[in-house]
Amino acid sequence: DAKTTQPNSMESNEEEPVHLPCNHSTISGTDYIHWYRQLPSQGPEYVIHGLTSNVNNRMASLAIAEDRKSSTLILHRATLRDAAVYYCILSSAGNNRKLIWGLGTSLAVNP
Amino acid sequence: DTEVTQTPKHLVMGMTNKKSLKCEQHMGHRAMYWYKQKAKKPPELMFVYSYEKLSINESVPSRFSPECPNSSLLNLHLHALQPEDSALYLCASSLVRDASQPQHFGDGTRLSIL
Repeated sequence: DAKTTQPNSMESNEEEPVHLPCNHSTISGTDYIHWYRQLPSQGPEYVIHGLTSNVNNRMASLAIAEDRKSSTLILHRATLRDAAVYYCILSSAGNNRKLIWGLGTSLAVNP
Repeated sequence: DTEVTQTPKHLVMGMTNKKSLKCEQHMGHRAMYWYKQKAKKPPELMFVYSYEKLSINESVPSRFSPECPNSSLLNLHLHALQPEDSALYLCASSLVRDASQPQHFGDGTRLSIL
């Protein structure tokens, strides 16, 4: 299974942009890149996903490297509510379509 | 607000008890999932149902028995559990079982085995 590597933790200040990196050097051509986040005492929450092109939605942006071996989740203006564990995940059409979870980055947001 | 509802939120049971976890969604999703999550770890997939049929069993011990009575409901029957089964049990659903489909998670049932 293709794996993802993320920093264990990151820190940001409120109202500043946050760039969360993820390496997935063994990604295959059919693997989607997903990001989920998990706030304390809650289930994971879908953030964004993409295949090859950069993606934007109301929550975040996803920047995918041209060789697809890395990606970056961008939160444009961090709020205190964005403090969570952010998971970078691969989902393969060929691997029973399961989500292959990384270990996650714990994001702290300072007021 | 979560659109996947799990009950109960907390459950404490002895090793000889039988209990069930319940999950419900009314989004018309046809794929439903059970995950187990230990503290400070990512969720681990246990079972996947697609159109009410079991598609994936990740070699889960038989003391966990899933059931999908209809397209909106998913149950997990528990019997003779071990202390190491204490964890957060998460249910999720997606429109269909496809690599591109986001999964919607409930907030889980926190299970403690005495």
